[in-house]
Amino acid sequence: NAGVTQTPKFQVLKTGQSMTLQCAQDMNHNSMYWYRQDPGMGLRLIYYSASEGTTDKGEVPNGYNVSRLNKREFSLRLESAAPSQTSVYFCASSTRDYNSPLHFGNGTRLTVT
Amino acid sequence: DQQVKQNSPSLSVQEGRISILNCDYTNSMFDYFLWYKKYPAEGPTFLISISSIKDKNEDGRFTVFLNKSAKHLSLHIVPSQPGDSAVYFCAASGANAGKSTFGDGTTLTVKP
Repeated sequence: NAGVTQTPKFQVLKTGQSMTLQCAQDMNHNSMYWYRQDPGMGLRLIYYSASEGTTDKGEVPNGYNVSRLNKREFSLRLESAAPSQTSVYFCASSTRDYNSPLHFGNGTRLTVT
Repeated sequence: DQQVKQNSPSLSVQEGRISILNCDYTNSMFDYFLWYKKYPAEGPTFLISISSIKDKNEDGRFTVFLNKSAKHLSLHIVPSQPGDSAVYFCAASGANAGKSTFGDGTTLTVKP
């Protein structure tokens, strides 16, 4: 059982380049999330999708866009990367049940130079 | 203003002893609290949680205590094992535990 799969694992971008981080889950979860973790800090919510067809902003959405492609897949796009977006990005999923914990992927380490 | 704080960046304990990790929060609207464990190069994994209607939840070697009046929770690991060495994140949420606010983490090292 793969759980939550993120690609790529590592990426280096130049300032101004664009890219899409991919995420897929095979647990039939309704809700999916994108978090970022900066060095020495906790995770901060970028965007989430409560169910297929819906997306909402989290705490730090500026500079990002998301697409909930279907129930399994939730992608995060950086249209014009900036050095401040250097971070580790985690995708997560959960059931729609109240107080359901997050299941995380192993992250994408992004460096913007 | 950081709403969830883990004031100890690191903690070192001897194998077999108790590990106590602390977390403070400021938002009275939080009513569900979770602990996640993270190994290097992996994503966080859920460890244990507690609802605001309880003051204690136990799962094997792990116990979480909640003091609502002090807005404080703690994670106790007894006995500590070397495999428990990891970063522990405290998280707090309202109705949707997926939309959690995380602390900065505490790195636990358990020495053999």
